[in-house]
Amino acid sequence: LAKTTQPISMDSYEGQEVNITCSHNNIATNDYITWYQQFPSQGPRFIIQGYKTKVTNEVASLFIPADRKSSTLSLPRVSLSDTAVYYCLVGGGISSGSARQLTFGSGTQLTVLP
Amino acid sequence: EAQVTQNPRYLITVTGKKLTVTCSQNMNHEYMSWYRQDPGLGLRQIYYSMNVEVTDKGDVPEGYKVSRKEKRNFPLILESPSPNQTSLYFCASSRPPTGGGTEAFFGQGTRLTVV
Repeated sequence: LAKTTQPISMDSYEGQEVNITCSHNNIATNDYITWYQQFPSQGPRFIIQGYKTKVTNEVASLFIPADRKSSTLSLPRVSLSDTAVYYCLVGGGISSGSARQLTFGSGTQLTVLP
Repeated sequence: EAQVTQNPRYLITVTGKKLTVTCSQNMNHEYMSWYRQDPGLGLRQIYYSMNVEVTDKGDVPEGYKVSRKEKRNFPLILESPSPNQTSLYFCASSRPPTGGGTEAFFGQGTRLTVV
């Protein structure tokens, strides 16, 4: 499984767009990039997943450059309730985001300020 | 509603007293797994199962047992709990990533304290 590197923490203000970048220099050809959100004492929650280029859903966008060695989770117009830890995971095959094997790093603690 | 349900949510027990934490999912998922989360150590996988009667060790299986007799249930068993198993436990389930990625669903967590 590819190792990921994320900032330990980030602060933002309500209404701003937040971009969290994850580095995964050793990503393999069949690896997917998956982001999870976790609130204190709750289970992680799937946010978004992608393989290349850009993926957008109702809560976030995921930008993946052509070399796929990094990815950026973009949260538009954050609110106080977006304060959480965000994890970037990389894995392929049976580890493509499945419960078979999820390797969580330290994540990024996002704090949204009023 | 699609969900993974763990019970109990909170448990305080004494060293050596066998306990079981239950996990049930209603999404007909083949894959299920257990994680523990500790401050400074993050989420670590204990055991996983790829289908009924198919289980295997994760990264930290010592002191734990699991069984998968039915597709929906994946209980975590601590035969003789010790204080170092005090932790926050999560169960997760997903379908296999056939043809692409997939997403895992997590339970609400079980906070276990062993004294």
